[in-house]
Formats: sequence, C-alpha cells, structure tokens
Amino acid sequence: SQKIEQNSEALNIQEGKTATLTCNYTNYSPAYLQWYRQDPGRGPVFLLLIRENEKEKRKERLKVTFDTTLKQSLFHITASQPADSATYLCALDISGGSYIPTFGRGTSLIVHP
Amino acid sequence: DGGITQSPKYLFRKEGQNVTLSCEQNLNHDAMYWYRQDPGQGLRLIYYSQIVNDFQKGDIAEGYSVSREKKESFPLTVTSAQKNPTAFYLCASSTEMDEQYFGPGTRLTVT
Repeated sequence: SQKIEQNSEALNIQEGKTATLTCNYTNYSPAYLQWYRQDPGRGPVFLLLIRENEKEKRKERLKVTFDTTLKQSLFHITASQPADSATYLCALDISGGSYIPTFGRGTSLIVHP
Repeated sequence: DGGITQSPKYLFRKEGQNVTLSCEQNLNHDAMYWYRQDPGQGLRLIYYSQIVNDFQKGDIAEGYSVSREKKESFPLTVTSAQKNPTAFYLCASSTEMDEQYFGPGTRLTVT
C-alpha cells in the first residue's frame, strides 16, 4: 500500500541555520509532490510543487529536491527564523491522472531565537 | 477577496445528532475536498468532488455524506453513524493538477 513517511519527531534548530525536512514514499511513482505549511488550528498553506522531471525547485528561502530513484523529497529552509516554526506537510499525487493528493503526517519545525 | 470559507469555526454537538459543516469558495475551482485531521495525524480524505452534481468517496467516507449542487458549495454532513466524529475538519478546493487552497477549518466536538 502507498506509504508516505515524514519524521514524526520535531526538528529543533537555531535561528539562522538551514532546516531540512524529509518526505519518503513507497510503492508509487508520483507525477509531482507538494509541500504545505500548517500553523496550529489553521488550514495548510501551499508552498511549493515539484514535478517528477524536476530535480530542484526554489522559492525565496525555500528549496525542494525530488529524487524519484530514492523516492524522497527534501525540503530546505535557509536562514531560518522563529516565524518559520510550523508543521510542514508533504503531499503526493497517487491518483494516476485525476489529482487527489495524499498527505503525510507532517514534521514540526521549531526555530529557536 | 477570493478564498474558501468554512463555518462555524467551532461546533459542539451531542452524540446521536447529525451536523452539517459549511464550505464555500469563490475561486471558481472545479474540485473540492473534505479532510479530517486528528491530533498528530495527517489529513485523511473523506469525500471529493471534481464537478457539480458528482462526488466520490475518499479513504474514510463511512458515517459522512456530502452534496455538490453548486460549484461554490460543498457541505459535509457528519451523521450519527460516524463512530468518532470529534476532529478538525478541513475543506479545500483546487483547479485540476494544481495546489489546494484550504479553508480555516471547523473543530467539531461531539459529547
């Protein structure tokens, strides 16, 4: 069965450092992968989408990589700030054409001043 | 402003009662979704609709029902058949093969 794994343990880092979050998946070859940010008690907010033929995508301080051989995506936040503290979710298209994303459980990021 | 709204933000019900959660979008999106989120869990898909007057069951549809009579609206009814209805419910919309826009969520508590 399809499985999406994100580190369940919170990631604690110091302000200014680069945060790296991991999304691993099994048993599928998604056409694309997305990353969302979710703050407590609020709905997720879309951050980045990367397609299977793209190795890397950047947006301001954010960078996503997508390795279809390793079945892994890495999400980086450079020069992290306390305001970046949130839960980050990855989502994969496993529906084979009609977009129905499946979400991972998310990883909590805590940036300490 | 374009967006997706859910109401109410908090909802309390007695066990055995049906309750309907509202979801409205003015983004002109064809697809709409309902998710459930429990503490420490990811989003689980309840129902989705890709076009008016059509909807499909997601992974955990039992005990829920939906309708899609208008493009803008996708209400979710939590029925008394749902064994563990207390959760955070999220509605989303999207264009085909694009990012999802989420509403602010409704926190339902059933006692």
